[in-house]
Amino acid sequence: DSGVTQTPKHLITATGQRVTLRCSPRSGDLSVYWYQQSLDQGLQFLIQYYNGEERAKGNILERFSAQQFPDLHSELNLSSLELGDSALYFCASSAPSGSSYNEQFFGPGTRLTVL
Amino acid sequence: AQKVTQAQTEISVVEKEDVTLDCVYETRDTTYYLFWYKQPPSGELVFLIRRNSFDEQNEISGRYSWNFQKSTSSFNFTITASQVVDSAVYFCALSEANYKLSFGAGTTVTVRA
Repeated sequence: DSGVTQTPKHLITATGQRVTLRCSPRSGDLSVYWYQQSLDQGLQFLIQYYNGEERAKGNILERFSAQQFPDLHSELNLSSLELGDSALYFCASSAPSGSSYNEQFFGPGTRLTVL
Repeated sequence: AQKVTQAQTEISVVEKEDVTLDCVYETRDTTYYLFWYKQPPSGELVFLIRRNSFDEQNEISGRYSWNFQKSTSSFNFTITASQVVDSAVYFCALSEANYKLSFGAGTTVTVRA
């Protein structure tokens, strides 16, 4: 158990809908990262937050947004969902320094299925 | 262009055989870190090892060892005396100064009893 929690574990929804994925980092970690894992794209970095502020952006679509709250939990919002958004979404956290060189600890993931 | 290339898609071995996973990376940064992560069938991603760009000393940790060669931009990972529980997808990853972690496509390792 990495100490990173994600809810829900599974999510099934329809095209055009909006969903929110939630992540709580390990105790003491200030950085939260979001990743998308799909068969065709592999593991893709989406976005990183450090202590409430956005720090780095990857291949995140404009339909997707994220935020990190004062209690350090993070939410990833996916809107106008398309079939191609079906994937496993991971959240990770890393040591308090927020350095990109720290190892990241991953949550169990949220499996999103868009029908 | 791919920053991290794992040329081996799948490797299948019999228990107790050694398995070496290849990883080639590309970066212009002088400071960077390399990682190996494991994704077992249960789906979670597990951190295995980390190496920084200034330390080319190869190490052994239990049944895991790695070979980092800057001259060839390679960071290979070996599992010695493989076990069925080692069956998983293994990802090599590169972290540069831009805070983004780039993963390779992964190598699926199947260890048969």
